[in-house]
Amino acid sequence: KQEVTQIPAALSVPEGENLVLNCSFTDSAIYNLQWFRQDPGKGLTSLLLIQSSQREQTSGRLNASLDKSSGRSTLYIAASQPGDSATYLCAVTEGSGTYKYIFGTGTRLKVLA
Amino acid sequence: NAGVTQTPKFQVLKTGQSMTLQCAQDMNHNSMYWYRQDPGMGLRLIYYSASEGTTDKGEVPNGYNVSRLNKREFSLRLESAAPSQTSVYFCASSVPGHGASGANVLTFGAGSRLTVL
Repeated sequence: KQEVTQIPAALSVPEGENLVLNCSFTDSAIYNLQWFRQDPGKGLTSLLLIQSSQREQTSGRLNASLDKSSGRSTLYIAASQPGDSATYLCAVTEGSGTYKYIFGTGTRLKVLA
Repeated sequence: NAGVTQTPKFQVLKTGQSMTLQCAQDMNHNSMYWYRQDPGMGLRLIYYSASEGTTDKGEVPNGYNVSRLNKREFSLRLESAAPSQTSVYFCASSVPGHGASGANVLTFGAGSRLTVL
């Protein structure tokens, strides 16, 4: 059974710091991996999607990498800002044609001004 | 462009009462999903609908039923609510594809907070 883990559960950093969030999954047979942001009391917003054939995706100050063989993905946030404070979740789909996204429990990020 | 709309946003029920959570999307997405989010448990899939006319169980379907009314709407029904169903419920949608721009990206609604007393 696929399991997705995100460590640490919470993280506080000073403004301007570059940081890395981690996501691990137990079964490397994934179709894609997505990173999401969730603000308190709100729904999830997709940040980046990496296909299983890709190694990384970039959007602005965000860069997500994928290493299927080791079951790991990282989300790199450059020059963090207080507005980046949120919970970040990763999710994997288990294969082409299946629609079951398996989510991690998230990392709660606080960027201090 | 509204995206995914969920109603109601908040609901309090007594044990044994029934209710339906409504979800509608205006993005012409084929696939729709219902998740619940509980502290320390992450998001867990309750039911999903790969396309209009089909529904399938997810990880935690017991105590729930769903209806894919048409391509836009996917409802979640609690027939006899229990305190264990106190949670935040999220509806999401996506369009399947292989490498096409936007394919498989999940779009979420704002959530429905349900409390069962």
